[in-house]
Amino acid sequence: EAGVAQSPRYKIIEKRQSVAFWCNPISGHATLYWYQQILGQGPKLLIQFQNNGVVDDSQLPKDRFSAERLKGVDSTLKIQPAKLEDSAVYLCASSSVRAGGYTFGSGTRLTVV
Amino acid sequence: DQQVKQNSPSLSVQEGRISILNCDYTNSMFDYFLWYKKYPAEGPTFLISISSIKDKNEDGRFTVFLNKSAKHLSLHIVPSQPGDSAVYFCAASAVLTGGGNKLTFGTGTQLKVEL
Repeated sequence: EAGVAQSPRYKIIEKRQSVAFWCNPISGHATLYWYQQILGQGPKLLIQFQNNGVVDDSQLPKDRFSAERLKGVDSTLKIQPAKLEDSAVYLCASSSVRAGGYTFGSGTRLTVV
Repeated sequence: DQQVKQNSPSLSVQEGRISILNCDYTNSMFDYFLWYKKYPAEGPTFLISISSIKDKNEDGRFTVFLNKSAKHLSLHIVPSQPGDSAVYFCAASAVLTGGGNKLTFGTGTQLKVEL
C-alpha cells in the first residue's frame, strides 16, 4: 500500500511569512495526526483528526497554527505568521487500528530565518 | 512536563552485541507502549509494541520489556547490526476522552552500531 504522502519536503521562509503543509494519509485510515519535531526532541502532537473532526488540538498554538481535514481525507497545516521557533520537522501520520498502526510520512523540514 | 523520558541521548554498541535502550514514563494512564525507529530524512517507522497487561514482547531480534511498577520499559536488540544504527523513540499511548488514542514520544536515543 502507498505510504503517507507529505509535501513539500523542505521549506525555508522568513519570519512573519505564512506557510502551508499538505498530507495525504493512507487510504482508509480514519485518524490523521500532525506532529512537530524540534531538533533534539521527540515528536509532539499538534492536532489529531478522526475523519474530519478534531479529537485533540490541546497543543496546537491556535493564534498562529491552523489545520483542516476536508472530507476526512487530505489535510493541510498552516502557520501564519511564522516565528523562528517554528523551525522543525512537521510529521503527518495516519492510523486505522491502534496496535502499531501509526504510519508516518517523511515529514516537511521547515526553516524560519 | 516530560511524561516519557529517554535519559540516554546516545548509545554505541559493537556489532553482534546486545543493545539496550531504556525509557521511563510518569503517567499511569498510559496503557500501550511502542518503539519507533527513525533514519535521517525519513519519518519514524513502527518497530515493536507492548500492552500494559504484558511484561514482555518479542519479535525476532527485538524484545521489549515492561516493568509497570517501576514505570520503565526497555528495548533489547540482539545481535545488533550496523543497519540498526538510527534514532529510537519510545512512545506511550493513552485513550482520549473524546475517542481515539494519543501517542506521547520520548526525546529519542541515537544508537550507533560499530563494526
